[in-house]
Amino acid sequence: SAVISQKPSRDICQRGTSLTIQCQVDSQVTMMFWYRQQPGQSLTLIATANQGSEATYESGFVIDKFPISRPNLTFSTLTVSNMSPEDSSIYLCSVGGQTRVKTEAFFGQGTRLTVV
Amino acid sequence: DAKTTQPPSMDCAEGRAANLPCNHSTISGNEYVYWYRQIHSQGPQYIIHGLKNNETNEMASLIITEDRKSSTLILPHATLRDTAVYYCIVRAMNRDDKIIFGKGTRLHILP
Repeated sequence: SAVISQKPSRDICQRGTSLTIQCQVDSQVTMMFWYRQQPGQSLTLIATANQGSEATYESGFVIDKFPISRPNLTFSTLTVSNMSPEDSSIYLCSVGGQTRVKTEAFFGQGTRLTVV
Repeated sequence: DAKTTQPPSMDCAEGRAANLPCNHSTISGNEYVYWYRQIHSQGPQYIIHGLKNNETNEMASLIITEDRKSSTLILPHATLRDTAVYYCIVRAMNRDDKIIFGKGTRLHILP
């Protein structure tokens, strides 16, 4: 299994500011995924981050709002830019399984963001 | 869009078997059925997956119909700690494939 650490676990931010969320994995992974979970809702995929290339964003998400870095195979960051109260959500990172047999995905515990 | 349909919520008495249905009528031949659950304030947790045969592990059993258009996750002896949102997902067996979540089923275990 993969152990994923996310920082911060929660934060309260002023509107108009930006927050960078870190995701650290205990093993090298090809793909890392960032999700958003709005209150009472399911998880929505924001983007896929591949080391050495630009992230691939899902429909409705743009790089200017959610820039992503992937400097190496164990680390990624997601920035929520120019925040508004509508950005209040839980943000989670995820990685795929590490062996051919174990293909289940693993998730961090999430970052609970409140924008005031 | 998610490829699965699940009831929004279900109740189950503690100690009884919880049977969670999922419809995936457009599943492709190379796609597996995966189940995850999300306990409140935690990230999703893998439960089980299967292709066409029934599967069982220490957490649950997965029953897939012969035509693979639907499946049932069975928690044999539900406890209060099984209260969670359960997500049924279909995806190809590639660890780098993204997961698209549907709305899931909110399971309430009643004491």
